[in-house]
Amino acid sequence: EAGVTQFPSHSVIEKGQTVTLRCDPISGHDNLYWYRRVMGKEIKFLLHFVKESKQDESGMPNNRFLAERTGGTYSTLKVQPAELEDSGVYFCASSQLRAPNSPLHFGNGTRLTVT
Amino acid sequence: GDSVTQMEGPVTLSEEAFLTINCTYTATGYPSLFWYVQYPGEGLQLLLKATKADDKGSNKGFEATYRKETTSFHLEKGSVQVSDSAVYFCALIPNTNAGKSTFGDGTTLTVKP
Repeated sequence: EAGVTQFPSHSVIEKGQTVTLRCDPISGHDNLYWYRRVMGKEIKFLLHFVKESKQDESGMPNNRFLAERTGGTYSTLKVQPAELEDSGVYFCASSQLRAPNSPLHFGNGTRLTVT
Repeated sequence: GDSVTQMEGPVTLSEEAFLTINCTYTATGYPSLFWYVQYPGEGLQLLLKATKADDKGSNKGFEATYRKETTSFHLEKGSVQVSDSAVYFCALIPNTNAGKSTFGDGTTLTVKP
């Protein structure tokens, strides 16, 4: 099966610009998560979709971040306007809905650099 | 809230050396515990897991035992190879929220020939 794919793999933008990250989960995985790793520190939870609904967005840092998952398939994460502290690696992960405590399947991540 | 504390890196070992990466956690109830590995240029992938106390997860020569009394899940390998060079993350999923994982900071391992 195809894994979780993320696009782009790298993005370099200037402060104040907008960037949109995309994640395609594994087919059939209703759970979709966004995580972020900043400055080589721990991977932090951003939000969780179940199908097209936001189940938990407690990790979203502020209202400059907007995540969508229209139709319950792929998801986008938009940062507008980007700030320097948004730099980091953004990971998407998916898992099956009816498999509690199952491990996450991660994409390769998008490395975002804000200059 | 839940937390995971990993041994600080980076760790540099010679090939065939013994590896231990310490991981302790704080969580309510009985979380599931995981080790993920990130090889250069790739995403995280599951290395091993344990879902209840005293379970031992194992894969590719790596092992970790879920110790509830010490709230630990230390990763070990008896003889590392150059190909084991990667970043290793300890993580937990609380039993109340499937999938919302809490991760440690990651430990970078470099194995030299």
